[in-house]
Amino acid sequence: QKEVEQDPGPLSVPEGAIVSLNCTYSNSAFQYFMWYRQYSRKGPELLMYTYSSGNKEDGRFTAQVDKSSKYISLFIRDSQPSDSATYLCAFNAGNNRKLIWGLGTSLAVNP
Amino acid sequence: NAGVTQTPKFQVLKTGQSMTLQCAQDMNHEYMSWYRQDPGMGLRLIHYSVGAGITDQGEVPNGYNVSRSTTEDFPLRLLSAAPSQTSVYFCASSYRQAYGHGYTFGSGTRLTVV
Repeated sequence: QKEVEQDPGPLSVPEGAIVSLNCTYSNSAFQYFMWYRQYSRKGPELLMYTYSSGNKEDGRFTAQVDKSSKYISLFIRDSQPSDSATYLCAFNAGNNRKLIWGLGTSLAVNP
Repeated sequence: NAGVTQTPKFQVLKTGQSMTLQCAQDMNHEYMSWYRQDPGMGLRLIHYSVGAGITDQGEVPNGYNVSRSTTEDFPLRLLSAAPSQTSVYFCASSYRQAYGHGYTFGSGTRLTVV
């Protein structure tokens, strides 16, 4: 079983749609849960992070962590063409430097 | 502008050649790292450093060397390039206490080994 599973997509939605992106993980020691966004031919940039569990909201973006199910989600409301990118989940146990990355989900928001 | 600067942006090497990928940051970050990104493999850690004079291996260190003589710079050296090293290379930095949630990435170096 892989430590992190993320559906690579591609996911294509119309402008204004609600987008749900998900990752599952197997390591119960993970404490830090991150979502990075990567535009084509650019480096990843941190979008949101959550420590431990619960929800976090930032504008149109909401990150959820369900530690009991080992499942994290990123919701994008009122999606825009500028949201078209690859979204990477990342995890850390907080006791070392090793980040565990998902493979990324490619999202296209069509005007 | 503050951030992580990687040079060159593109490079083509012949098998057996050596080269150095440069990475510099101006945010006074203690932690710096090198990743490679390949289709279907995701981001894989090559080497990292928690401060000047301190480096350690990541998941895929073979064929690469690093050194950290200053806080700002963290060059990655390919000793003898192989086609398997064709990839996009990213440098990332963060404060020491950021466990993945404060990473700043460079724009990448696209390397092709022929």
